Amino acid sequence: GAVVSQHPSRVICKSGTSVKIECRSLDFQATTMFWYRQFPKQSLMLMATSNEGSKATYEQGVEKDKFLINHASLTLSTLTVTSAHPEDSSFYICSAQTGDFQPQHFGDGTRLSIL
Amino acid sequence: GIQVEQSPPDLILQEGANSTLRCNFSDSVNNLQWFHQNPWGQLINLFYIPSGTKQNGRLSATTVATERYSLLYISSSQTTDSGVYFCAVSDTGRRALTFGSGTRLQVQP
Repeated sequence: GAVVSQHPSRVICKSGTSVKIECRSLDFQATTMFWYRQFPKQSLMLMATSNEGSKATYEQGVEKDKFLINHASLTLSTLTVTSAHPEDSSFYICSAQTGDFQPQHFGDGTRLSIL
Repeated sequence: GIQVEQSPPDLILQEGANSTLRCNFSDSVNNLQWFHQNPWGQLINLFYIPSGTKQNGRLSATTVATERYSLLYISSSQTTDSGVYFCAVSDTGRRALTFGSGTRLQVQP
């Protein structure tokens, strides 16, 4: 149980393209999902907390107009990287939690490469 | 925010050896998880252990919440154990995880 599906797993696109990444909780409802980013040889850093039916909460330094997050249902959150540039190339990974005092379950991540 | 420190940063073992990875955190936590990140980037959830001791096969973990540390034990290591091990915590009042910098483990045949 507690499976999180993330698509696509890999994206290669040209600079200026917008890219949408989906995160789905397959067998549970998640009122809160999280988006993390990982640069090569580094740890994971929280980008934003996504709450179903409300605006996402972004970490300091993360541009909310560039990284659009939508959490339209209890099983789906999307991250859209708008007008992506090479510096946005990174590994993006989402997680979901069934409730307080429960573990977070992670998707398999999306490797984004902007040429 | 909460600080998470992992040690050692790098570890090289011969197959069959045992090891202990440590995670120190700076504040009270309501969530602590250990992950193994494989070469493809997948985060494998090893333990959800905000306190106490758990075992799963060759792996075990102990969290002493009052002293703000957690330990991950790997026994009889195998080459497939290679990768990066992360400790991640969330402090009280916050659900998002803060990750440590990781321990990069290489198990040689």
